Amino acid sequence: DSGVTQTPKHLITATGQRVTLRCSPRSGDLSVYWYQQSLDQGLQFLIQYYNGEERAKGNILERFSAQQFPDLHSELNLSSLELGDSALYFCASSVGFWDRSPLHFGNGTRLTVT
Amino acid sequence: KNEVEQSPQNLTAQEGEFITINCSYSVGISALHWLQQHPGGGIVSLFMLSSGKKKHGRLIATINIQEKHSSLHITASHPRDSAVYICAVAAGNQFYFGTGTSLTVIP
Repeated sequence: DSGVTQTPKHLITATGQRVTLRCSPRSGDLSVYWYQQSLDQGLQFLIQYYNGEERAKGNILERFSAQQFPDLHSELNLSSLELGDSALYFCASSVGFWDRSPLHFGNGTRLTVT
Repeated sequence: KNEVEQSPQNLTAQEGEFITINCSYSVGISALHWLQQHPGGGIVSLFMLSSGKKKHGRLIATINIQEKHSSLHITASHPRDSAVYICAVAAGNQFYFGTGTSLTVIP
């Protein structure tokens, strides 16, 4: 058990809809990362937050947004969903930044857009 | 253009064999991570390296910063090692993943 909790585990929704994925980091971890894993693109970095502030941005679409709250949990909001957004979304956490701390991954949220 | 390349893509080994998975990268990095993803989908961090060599049980990871290359070795492989092994690099404020090496260890 990594200590990182992601909810929900599975999500099925229709095109055009909006969903929110939630992540609770491991106790003591200040960094939260979001990643997307799709069959055609593999794993991609979306965004990182450290202690409530956005610190790095990857291939995150404008339709997607995220935030980290004072209690350090994070939410990833996906809107105007398209079929191609179907993927496994992982959250990871670490004590510091990714060049100083190992990453601890949640079990992922599998999103299916129909 | 992929910033991180892994080889081989697929690997089948007999139980007990010594296994090497290679990772080459084209960007300046501050750290390299080796990850393991099991068929159920969960991802586990195996190593984080910025130089030299690390060992954990039967797993050894090395990195050569000048050559921009890292290797993951598994000694005395076991069927429970069957998984996808993913190399990832921290490069400034970006994080790049390799496409993974799918390992199957046959009893």
